Amino acid sequence: QKEVEQDPGPLSVPEGAIVSLNCTYSNSAFQYFMWYRQYSRKGPELLMYTYSSGNKEDGRFTAQVDKSSKYISLFIRDSQPSDSATYLCAMSANGRGSTLGRLYFGRGTQLTVWP
Amino acid sequence: KAGVTQTPRYLIKTRGQQVTLSCSPISGHRSVSWYQQTPGQGLQFLFEYFSETQRNKGNFPGRFSGRQFSNSRSEMNVSTLELGDSALYLCASSPRDRVEGSGANVLTFGAGSRLTVL
Repeated sequence: QKEVEQDPGPLSVPEGAIVSLNCTYSNSAFQYFMWYRQYSRKGPELLMYTYSSGNKEDGRFTAQVDKSSKYISLFIRDSQPSDSATYLCAMSANGRGSTLGRLYFGRGTQLTVWP
Repeated sequence: KAGVTQTPRYLIKTRGQQVTLSCSPISGHRSVSWYQQTPGQGLQFLFEYFSETQRNKGNFPGRFSGRQFSNSRSEMNVSTLELGDSALYLCASSPRDRVEGSGANVLTFGAGSRLTVL
């Protein structure tokens, strides 16, 4: 069993829909939670970053972390065709004083937003 | 500001050969990490370097190796290539090497080197 589980989809929605993407994890040491977006033939780019539990909003994007349930979510409001990409959740296993280069990724969810 | 540059972008090798991939981090970034991305396994951590020292290593065989130079540029090498090594190899850089408090610890990825092993 992978430490981070993510439904690979694919997920296909009409423009303007609300999209919900989710990941579950098993390692209770995870404290840093990220969502990356990866367009075809590109590297992942950081979309959202959350430390510990709680919500974070940035424009049309909202990230939620529920550490008690080991569950994180990304919501996309008013989705656009330009949001079509693969969305990867990522987590950092260690806290203060640890190396940050090692992230644990979900397999990614492929999202298509059609006009 | 230039991003993370990886070369070559695409390459084809045959089984048994070896390959070297190069990564130039963002100017001023001293930490470089490498990941392997495949459809079946997703992104898997290979290794991480900071100031020419390997700080962390993932669960890959010894055929996978890397190094970092004094200018922070990094290379990774895969020897005795196998079909299963076909993947997108991603390099990421960061200005820091350690998680600090609740601040953002951002990894910036390059576009990757796509390796096909025949």
